[in-house]
Amino acid sequence: AQSVTQLDSHVSVSEGTPVLLRCNYSSSYSPSLFWYVQHPNKGLQLLLKYTSAATLVKGINGFEAEFKKSETSFHLTKPSAHMSDAAEYFCVVSDLSGGYNKLIFGAGTRLAVHP
Amino acid sequence: DGGITQSPKYLFRKEGQNVTLSCEQNLNHDAMYWYRQDPGQGLRLIYYSQIVNDFQKGDIAEGYSVSREKKESFPLTVTSAQKNPTAFYLCASRRRDIGDMAKNIQYFGAGTRLSVL
Repeated sequence: AQSVTQLDSHVSVSEGTPVLLRCNYSSSYSPSLFWYVQHPNKGLQLLLKYTSAATLVKGINGFEAEFKKSETSFHLTKPSAHMSDAAEYFCVVSDLSGGYNKLIFGAGTRLAVHP
Repeated sequence: DGGITQSPKYLFRKEGQNVTLSCEQNLNHDAMYWYRQDPGQGLRLIYYSQIVNDFQKGDIAEGYSVSREKKESFPLTVTSAQKNPTAFYLCASRRRDIGDMAKNIQYFGAGTRLSVL
C-alpha cells in the first residue's frame, strides 16, 4: 500500500532564507507524487507533480522538488522564502491499487515565515 | 471562470440534524471527490464518483451520503449518524479517472467548515 510521511509538522524560516519541507513515501510501484499548498481556510492548490519524467520537478512560485528513488524521498525546496509562502503544505502520492485514482495525503507541514 | 464552487463557506449543525454541503464544478470533469480534513491531519476520502449516477465509498464513508444526478454537481449529506462531524470539508474534481492518471490533476474547491451547535 502507498503511504506518505511528512517528517516535520512545523517549519519556521526567516524571509529570504531557503525552505526545505521533507517527505518520504512508500510505494509498491513507480509512484506519482504531488505537493499541494493550502492557505488558511482555503482549498488546495497544486504546486508541482512528479510523473516519472525528470526527477527534478519545478513548480509554481519558485518551488521545486527532487524525486530520489534510492531514498524514497520527494522533498520540497525553495531558495528564498517569501512572506506569502506561509501556509500548510501536503505531500501526496497517487494510489492506483483500488482501480481508481486515489490520493494519499501526508499529515501536512505548516510553514511559518518570519520577517 | 472555470472552477469548483462549494457552499456554504460555514455551516452549523444541530444534534440529530442532517445537513447538505454543495459542490458544483463547471470544468466538465467526470470524476468528483469529497474529503474531510481535521486539524493536524491530511485529507481523508469520504466518497468519490467517476461518472454520473455512480459513486463509491472512500475510507470514512460512515455517516455520510452522496448523490451524482448531474455531471457538474456532487452534494454531500452529513447525516445524524455522523457523531463527530466538525471538520473542514473539501470537494475536488478530475478530468477523468482512466489512462495516465498522473497527468490528470485533482482540483479543489475552497471548502466548507462544518461545526456542531
